[in-house]
Amino acid sequence: DVKVTQSSRYLVKRTGEKVFLECVQDMDHENMFWYRQDPGLGLRLIYFSYDVKMKEKGDIPEGYSVSREKKERFSLILESASTNQTSMYLCASSLPRGVRQPQHFGDGTRLSIL
Amino acid sequence: GENVEQHPSTLSVQEGDSAVIKCTYSDSASNYFPWYKQELGKRPQLIIDIRSNVGEKKDQRIAVTLNKTAKHFSLHITETQPEDSAVYFCAASIKTSYDKVIFGPGTSLSVIP
Repeated sequence: DVKVTQSSRYLVKRTGEKVFLECVQDMDHENMFWYRQDPGLGLRLIYFSYDVKMKEKGDIPEGYSVSREKKERFSLILESASTNQTSMYLCASSLPRGVRQPQHFGDGTRLSIL
Repeated sequence: GENVEQHPSTLSVQEGDSAVIKCTYSDSASNYFPWYKQELGKRPQLIIDIRSNVGEKKDQRIAVTLNKTAKHFSLHITETQPEDSAVYFCAASIKTSYDKVIFGPGTSLSVIP
């Protein structure tokens, strides 16, 4: 069974801080994703990575960056946290390009920026 | 850009009744349509998916139908049970990337015992 683990379930940070959200998957999936989930807006893609060191911007990348130094780990970075980045953040992974397989999600990190 | 609409946003049904959630998508090249269920406080999990070469797929009490001409797809849950209460998300693949999907805004389903 695929396991996607996010480092924190709840996180509270202050405005202007640099924030790191970590995600690890154990199924050797090439693809990894970071989403933001807000009520009434569904899941919006922040960044997508299809291989180590490879990344693509999603629909809402502003204010965020990512790092994928190892295949199993995908980090989301809030360069200078702002209150409008308070949200639920979900990480997911899936099999590679050309193979339409479902995404497997982590439990999410509820981030509050004060 | 690509878009997925989902209706209704909230749905309440009596236990044992059927529930139907409808989605429309804008990208005519979309060919993969997964549905996810997210129970309160838990991660989204795939419950069923359909590919564009199939018009209907069923798995026990859950079925999905796809109308490619109209760019509609729907989730049908029969004989609903309280444990079906959750938020359901539809999604559609994007032509510019094999592996990305766009999610609908979600439907909150409540099954009343």
